[in-house]
Amino acid sequence: DQQVKQNSPSLSVQEGRISILNCDYTNSMFDYFLWYKKYPAEGPTFLISISSIKDKNEDGRFTVFLNKSAKHLSLHIVPSQPGDSAVYFCAASAGGYQKVTFGTGTKLQVIP
Amino acid sequence: GAVVSQHPSWVICKSGTSVKIECRSLDFQATTMFWYRQFPKQSLMLMATSNEGSKATYEQGVEKDKFLINHASLTLSTLTVTSAHPEDSSFYICSARVGGGSNQPQHFGDGTRLSIL
Repeated sequence: DQQVKQNSPSLSVQEGRISILNCDYTNSMFDYFLWYKKYPAEGPTFLISISSIKDKNEDGRFTVFLNKSAKHLSLHIVPSQPGDSAVYFCAASAGGYQKVTFGTGTKLQVIP
Repeated sequence: GAVVSQHPSWVICKSGTSVKIECRSLDFQATTMFWYRQFPKQSLMLMATSNEGSKATYEQGVEKDKFLINHASLTLSTLTVTSAHPEDSSFYICSARVGGGSNQPQHFGDGTRLSIL
Protein backbone atom coordinates (compact mmCIF):
# COMPACT_ATOMS: atom_id res chain seq x y z
CA ASP A 1 0.00 0.00 0.00
CA GLN A 2 1.78 3.09 -1.27
CA GLN A 3 0.62 5.87 1.03
CA VAL A 4 2.73 8.50 -0.69
CA LYS A 5 2.62 8.53 -4.46
CA GLN A 6 4.58 10.36 -7.08
CA ASN A 7 2.88 9.42 -10.30
CA SER A 8 5.41 11.00 -12.63
CA PRO A 9 8.60 8.97 -12.68
CA SER A 10 10.38 11.60 -14.74
CA LEU A 11 10.15 15.23 -15.82
CA SER A 12 12.15 17.32 -18.29
CA VAL A 13 12.22 21.09 -18.07
CA GLN A 14 14.13 23.78 -19.93
CA GLU A 15 16.61 25.81 -17.91
CA GLY A 16 15.03 28.97 -16.54
CA ARG A 17 11.52 27.56 -16.62
CA ILE A 18 9.46 26.34 -13.71
CA SER A 19 9.64 22.73 -12.55
CA ILE A 20 6.55 21.37 -10.84
CA LEU A 21 6.79 18.06 -9.04
CA ASN A 22 3.63 16.50 -7.70
CA CYS A 23 2.85 14.20 -4.81
CA ASP A 24 -0.35 12.62 -3.54
CA TYR A 25 -0.96 10.91 -0.24
CA THR A 26 -3.71 8.75 1.14
CA ASN A 27 -3.16 8.80 4.90
CA SER A 28 -5.19 11.62 6.44
CA MET A 29 -3.08 11.35 9.60
CA PHE A 30 -0.03 12.78 7.82
CA ASP A 31 0.62 16.28 9.07
CA TYR A 32 4.22 16.97 8.10
CA PHE A 33 5.55 16.80 4.58
CA LEU A 34 9.05 17.00 3.21
CA TRP A 35 10.86 17.09 -0.09
CA TYR A 36 14.28 15.52 -0.55
CA LYS A 37 16.67 15.67 -3.47
CA LYS A 38 18.87 12.73 -4.30
CA TYR A 39 21.82 12.29 -6.62
CA PRO A 40 22.91 8.81 -7.71
CA ALA A 41 24.93 6.89 -5.11
CA GLU A 42 24.29 9.55 -2.48
CA GLY A 43 21.86 9.89 0.37
CA PRO A 44 18.86 12.21 0.07
CA THR A 45 19.33 15.87 0.94
CA PHE A 46 16.56 17.71 2.73
CA LEU A 47 15.12 20.55 0.66
CA ILE A 48 12.00 21.96 2.21
CA SER A 49 9.13 20.96 4.45
CA ILE A 50 5.63 22.06 5.29
CA SER A 51 3.34 21.51 8.22
CA SER A 52 -0.31 20.72 7.66
CA ILE A 53 -1.31 23.98 9.30
CA LYS A 54 0.14 25.82 6.32
CA ASP A 55 -0.64 25.71 2.63
CA LYS A 56 2.56 27.21 1.35
CA ASN A 57 6.19 27.38 2.34
CA GLU A 58 8.87 29.13 0.36
CA ASP A 59 12.65 28.93 0.53
CA GLY A 60 14.52 30.70 -2.23
CA ARG A 61 13.78 29.05 -5.54
CA PHE A 62 11.80 26.28 -3.86
CA THR A 63 8.14 26.53 -2.88
CA VAL A 64 5.99 23.75 -1.55
CA PHE A 65 2.22 23.93 -1.79
CA LEU A 66 -0.13 21.77 0.26
CA ASN A 67 -3.76 21.09 -0.57
CA LYS A 68 -5.10 19.08 2.32
CA SER A 69 -8.57 18.58 0.93
CA ALA A 70 -7.08 17.01 -2.18
CA LYS A 71 -4.30 15.28 -0.23
CA HIS A 72 -1.87 16.74 -2.69
CA LEU A 73 1.35 18.63 -2.47
CA SER A 74 3.68 20.03 -5.05
CA LEU A 75 7.19 21.38 -5.23
CA HIS A 76 7.86 24.33 -7.49
CA ILE A 77 11.39 25.18 -8.56
CA VAL A 78 11.81 28.46 -10.33
CA PRO A 79 13.93 29.22 -12.18
CA SER A 80 15.13 25.69 -12.84
CA GLN A 81 18.86 25.17 -13.16
CA PRO A 82 20.85 22.26 -14.61
CA GLY A 83 22.19 21.53 -11.11
CA ASP A 84 18.63 20.79 -10.03
CA SER A 85 18.72 17.62 -12.12
CA ALA A 86 18.22 14.80 -9.60
CA VAL A 87 15.59 12.50 -8.19
CA TYR A 88 13.11 14.24 -5.91
CA PHE A 89 11.35 12.35 -3.15
CA CYS A 90 8.22 13.47 -1.43
CA ALA A 91 7.85 12.24 2.17
CA ALA A 92 5.27 12.46 4.92
CA SER A 93 4.90 11.69 8.59
CA ALA A 94 2.13 11.67 11.16
CA GLY A 95 2.27 13.81 14.27
CA GLY A 96 4.08 12.36 17.23
CA TYR A 97 5.60 9.62 15.10
CA GLN A 98 9.09 9.65 13.78
CA LYS A 99 8.49 7.31 10.91
CA VAL A 100 8.62 9.00 7.54
CA THR A 101 7.04 7.46 4.48
CA PHE A 102 8.66 8.20 1.14
CA GLY A 103 7.20 8.38 -2.33
CA THR A 104 8.78 6.58 -5.27
CA GLY A 105 10.56 9.65 -6.57
CA THR A 106 10.51 11.79 -9.70
CA LYS A 107 13.61 12.17 -11.80
CA LEU A 108 13.97 15.77 -12.88
CA GLN A 109 16.15 16.71 -15.82
CA VAL A 110 16.80 20.37 -16.44
CA ILE A 111 17.97 20.93 -19.98
CA PRO A 112 20.47 23.75 -20.54
CA GLY B 1 25.63 21.38 10.36
CA ALA B 2 23.64 18.16 10.72
CA VAL B 3 26.11 15.93 8.92
CA VAL B 4 25.56 12.20 8.86
CA SER B 5 28.46 10.02 7.83
CA GLN B 6 28.00 6.48 6.63
CA HIS B 7 30.77 3.94 6.14
CA PRO B 8 31.66 2.08 4.01
CA SER B 9 30.22 3.54 0.85
CA TRP B 10 30.61 0.32 -1.15
CA VAL B 11 31.03 -3.27 -0.11
CA ILE B 12 31.49 -6.35 -2.26
CA CYS B 13 31.68 -9.65 -0.45
CA LYS B 14 31.04 -13.33 -0.77
CA SER B 15 27.76 -14.99 0.10
CA GLY B 16 27.61 -16.09 3.71
CA THR B 17 29.72 -13.33 5.19
CA SER B 18 28.49 -10.67 7.58
CA VAL B 19 28.78 -7.00 6.78
CA LYS B 20 28.72 -4.12 9.23
CA ILE B 21 27.68 -0.62 8.18
CA GLU B 22 28.29 2.37 10.43
CA CYS B 23 26.23 5.51 10.67
CA ARG B 24 27.57 8.49 12.59
CA SER B 25 26.13 11.87 13.39
CA LEU B 26 29.16 14.13 13.19
CA ASP B 27 28.03 17.40 14.70
CA PHE B 28 24.95 16.55 16.69
CA GLN B 29 23.63 13.87 18.99
CA ALA B 30 20.96 11.57 17.70
CA THR B 31 18.90 9.53 20.11
CA THR B 32 17.15 8.03 17.11
CA MET B 33 18.56 6.92 13.82
CA PHE B 34 16.81 5.23 10.92
CA TRP B 35 17.89 2.55 8.50
CA TYR B 36 16.47 2.41 4.98
CA ARG B 37 16.90 0.16 2.04
CA GLN B 38 16.45 1.22 -1.55
CA PHE B 39 16.03 -1.08 -4.52
CA PRO B 40 16.73 0.26 -8.00
CA LYS B 41 14.13 2.75 -9.18
CA GLN B 42 12.12 2.30 -6.02
CA SER B 43 11.43 4.33 -2.94
CA LEU B 44 13.34 4.30 0.31
CA MET B 45 11.86 1.61 2.51
CA LEU B 46 12.25 2.03 6.24
CA MET B 47 13.78 -1.09 7.75
CA ALA B 48 14.07 -0.13 11.38
CA THR B 49 14.27 2.68 13.88
CA SER B 50 17.38 2.59 16.00
CA ASN B 51 17.08 3.93 19.53
CA GLU B 52 20.12 4.75 21.63
CA GLY B 53 20.46 2.41 24.55
CA SER B 54 17.51 0.22 23.65
CA LYS B 55 16.37 -2.29 21.10
CA ALA B 56 15.61 -1.25 17.57
CA THR B 57 12.08 -1.19 16.27
CA TYR B 58 11.78 -3.17 13.08
CA GLU B 59 9.25 -2.67 10.32
CA GLN B 60 6.98 -5.49 9.33
CA GLY B 61 8.69 -8.02 7.15
CA VAL B 62 12.22 -7.12 8.20
CA GLU B 63 14.10 -9.99 9.84
CA LYS B 64 15.59 -8.92 13.15
CA ASP B 65 18.11 -11.73 13.19
CA LYS B 66 19.18 -10.93 9.68
CA PHE B 67 19.65 -7.21 10.13
CA LEU B 68 21.20 -6.55 13.52
CA ILE B 69 21.09 -2.96 14.71
CA ASN B 70 23.12 -1.54 17.54
CA HIS B 71 22.90 2.04 18.76
CA ALA B 72 25.48 2.13 21.50
CA SER B 73 26.04 5.87 21.64
CA LEU B 74 24.34 9.11 20.74
CA THR B 75 26.45 9.44 17.62
CA LEU B 76 26.77 5.92 16.29
CA SER B 77 24.41 3.27 15.01
CA THR B 78 25.48 0.13 13.20
CA LEU B 79 23.64 -2.21 10.89
CA THR B 80 25.05 -5.71 10.49
CA VAL B 81 23.76 -7.83 7.64
CA THR B 82 24.39 -11.34 8.89
CA SER B 83 25.14 -14.26 6.58
CA ALA B 84 24.50 -12.07 3.57
CA HIS B 85 23.16 -13.56 0.37
CA PRO B 86 22.75 -12.12 -3.13
CA GLU B 87 19.17 -11.07 -2.42
CA ASP B 88 20.51 -8.78 0.31
CA SER B 89 22.34 -6.75 -2.33
CA SER B 90 20.92 -3.27 -2.18
CA PHE B 91 21.56 0.34 -1.29
CA TYR B 92 21.36 0.89 2.47
CA ILE B 93 20.96 4.41 3.84
CA CYS B 94 20.88 5.69 7.39
CA SER B 95 19.45 8.91 8.69
CA ALA B 96 19.27 10.83 11.93
CA ARG B 97 17.05 13.54 13.22
CA VAL B 98 18.32 16.65 14.99
CA GLY B 99 16.45 17.18 18.22
CA GLY B 100 13.66 15.12 19.68
CA GLY B 101 10.70 16.75 18.00
CA SER B 102 8.89 14.80 15.33
CA ASN B 103 8.67 17.79 12.99
CA GLN B 104 12.34 17.90 12.22
CA PRO B 105 13.81 16.70 8.96
CA GLN B 106 15.93 13.62 8.86
CA HIS B 107 19.44 14.06 7.58
CA PHE B 108 20.83 11.23 5.53
CA GLY B 109 24.17 9.60 5.09
CA ASP B 110 25.45 8.95 1.58
CA GLY B 111 24.44 5.32 1.68
CA THR B 112 26.22 2.00 1.34
CA ARG B 113 26.09 -0.02 -1.84
CA LEU B 114 26.17 -3.67 -0.80
CA SER B 115 26.89 -6.29 -3.44
CA ILE B 116 26.86 -9.95 -2.44
CA LEU B 117 28.47 -12.34 -4.89
